[in-house]
Amino acid sequence: GAVVSQHPSRVICKSGTSVKIECRSLDFQATTMFWYRQFPKKSLMLMATSNEGSKATYEQGVEKDKFLINHASLTLSTLTVTSAHPEDSSFYICSAATQGYVEAFFGQGTRLTVV
Amino acid sequence: RKEVEQDPGPFNVPEGATVAFNCTYSNSASQSFFWYRQDCRKEPKLLMSVYSSGNEDGRFTAQLNRASQYISLLIRDSKLSDSATYLCVVSGNTGKLIFGQGTTLQVKP
Repeated sequence: GAVVSQHPSRVICKSGTSVKIECRSLDFQATTMFWYRQFPKKSLMLMATSNEGSKATYEQGVEKDKFLINHASLTLSTLTVTSAHPEDSSFYICSAATQGYVEAFFGQGTRLTVV
Repeated sequence: RKEVEQDPGPFNVPEGATVAFNCTYSNSASQSFFWYRQDCRKEPKLLMSVYSSGNEDGRFTAQLNRASQYISLLIRDSKLSDSATYLCVVSGNTGKLIFGQGTTLQVKP
């Protein structure tokens, strides 16, 4: 199946700093990528839909200025958590889809801890 | 009301047992339905797609009832390795997935 690579898998940062997470589709061109976050013992919650070459679409309640998404190419989307705070500590996962494709392939996830 | 609802469990069953998970969804325009499996601290992985005609893959059987907006997953002859969280997932035609809360299964020897 398709491969999606997410990096880093784990990051610890100080409060107030910014963290960038990369999501790459390795063997297909992903016109659309999705970013999710998951709190312990909770389900994945969609944060935003990232479209190549255009602005991301954010879900209700997600601050676009805090979670910056860039999808500059068909194989790479990045999520930057700006001015991170402890409450941003979570498991962030990306998934990728091609046009008309309904099965999602997920990155390995990034466990962010803000101290 | 959540878009996709599942009983979070946990379901604790002995090896060899048959266990069934249920899921309901609120958007009648939903087009695709899936069960994903998620192991602790890992990304979700597709277990199987769900069709109106029902589909079976080994010990796993999935059913979809569009009229009732209801999805089920049946696991027969449970193995220890089946212990995980099972996510009911619904999507439209954009690839955007809506996840249920997940149902935790613990199979005990």
